Amino acid sequence: DTGVSQDPRHKITKRGQNVTFRCDPISEHNRLYWYRQTLGQGPEFLTYFQNEAQLEKSRLLSDRFSAERPKGSFSTLEIQRTEQGDSAMYLCASSSGPQDYGYTFGSGTRLTVV
Amino acid sequence: AQTVTQSQPEMSVQEAETVTLSCTYDTSESNYYLFWYKQPPSRQMILVIRQEAYKQQNATENRFSVNFQKAAKSFSLKISDSQLGDTAMYFCAQGAQKLVFGQGTRLTINP
Repeated sequence: DTGVSQDPRHKITKRGQNVTFRCDPISEHNRLYWYRQTLGQGPEFLTYFQNEAQLEKSRLLSDRFSAERPKGSFSTLEIQRTEQGDSAMYLCASSSGPQDYGYTFGSGTRLTVV
Repeated sequence: AQTVTQSQPEMSVQEAETVTLSCTYDTSESNYYLFWYKQPPSRQMILVIRQEAYKQQNATENRFSVNFQKAAKSFSLKISDSQLGDTAMYFCAQGAQKLVFGQGTRLTINP
């Protein structure tokens, strides 16, 4: 197992465009999380899935953001009509439950909106 | 609301010294976990150590240990015999499902 994979690593987009990020969790992990990290700050929770069900969504996630996890495997995070304030590192993590020694994070997707 | 506070934005020590990073938290949950994560420059977040809140015994992982004071809601990380490779941002986090992170402490180990 190669850990949690995120694609792309970097994305530069023009304001107003839509972007989609992908996360492939560790195969035996049934929980998948999305976080956003801005420069010099700790990660902020966005949403999480248990299998294919989206169980919680942060108030940080405006209507422009949507996440899916079809069939409980990989997940996508889409941002519509991007704004400069969306520029951040988007981190994905997976786990089989906090009792199983916590999350494994991916390397993140760095989004720059110009 | 859950909050995590790291009061030391930056710390710097000499190689081989011992350093302690502070963290306090607030939560209304009864069952939760506490974590320290390390994020080297431009690299992914790595779990350093974790503590189950229901366990009184402090967790240890090689050179890393914690001082967990549940009543005071304090969870500090001690790094013994610090190494150059310990240079990174360190984040304290708390939660049971989703995690709440502190703002981080930038630790620099000097040769």
